Amino acid sequence: KQEVTQIPAALSVPEGENLVLNCSFTDSAIYNLQWFRQDPGKGLTSLLLIQSSQREQTSGRLNASLDKSSGRSTLYIAASQPGDSATYLCAVSRISGGGADGLTFGKGTHLIIQP
Amino acid sequence: GAGVSQSPSNKVTEKGKDVELRCDPISGHTALYWYRQRLGQGLEFLIYFQGNSAPDKSGLPSDRFSAERTGESVSTLTIQRTQQEDSAVYLCASSLVDTRTEAFFGQGTRLTVV
Repeated sequence: KQEVTQIPAALSVPEGENLVLNCSFTDSAIYNLQWFRQDPGKGLTSLLLIQSSQREQTSGRLNASLDKSSGRSTLYIAASQPGDSATYLCAVSRISGGGADGLTFGKGTHLIIQP
Repeated sequence: GAGVSQSPSNKVTEKGKDVELRCDPISGHTALYWYRQRLGQGLEFLIYFQGNSAPDKSGLPSDRFSAERTGESVSTLTIQRTQQEDSAVYLCASSLVDTRTEAFFGQGTRLTVV
């Protein structure tokens, strides 16, 4: 059974700092890993999708890396801003599910950027 | 539409009543997923639709839950005889193919059973 763990559960940093969020998963047989953000009372917004054959993906101030063999991913946020405050979720797609059993999510990291 | 649309955004219902939640996926997306997010918990996968194929219902929490999809379009999740433990945010996602392609989520329906 795939399990996804995110550390830390919560993080509060001053504006302008660079920060790293961590995600680990137990079954390395994945199609891809996806990072989302969730604002209070809202749905999920897709940030980055990394295919299993890729090592990293970048979008603006965000950079996500994937080390499939060790079952780890990191989301790097550069020059953090108060608008980055949200809960960040990572999710993996298991090959054993054949694309049909949904994504397996971590419980998220609740991020607060202090102005 | 431009994104995944869910309705209603909020629903308060009395215990024992039936509720119906609706999801409009992104046009052209063949895959549609329902998830449940209880307070303080991770997202829990409920059911997956692929085109016109019959879904695998084994992920639904109980036989009070059912879901349908019309072709490759709208889906409804129905909860009969609601219980307080059904209170959660119900999220719908669609994807071009399946979980091998990027998932896009709706804003969710917050269900409160009183």
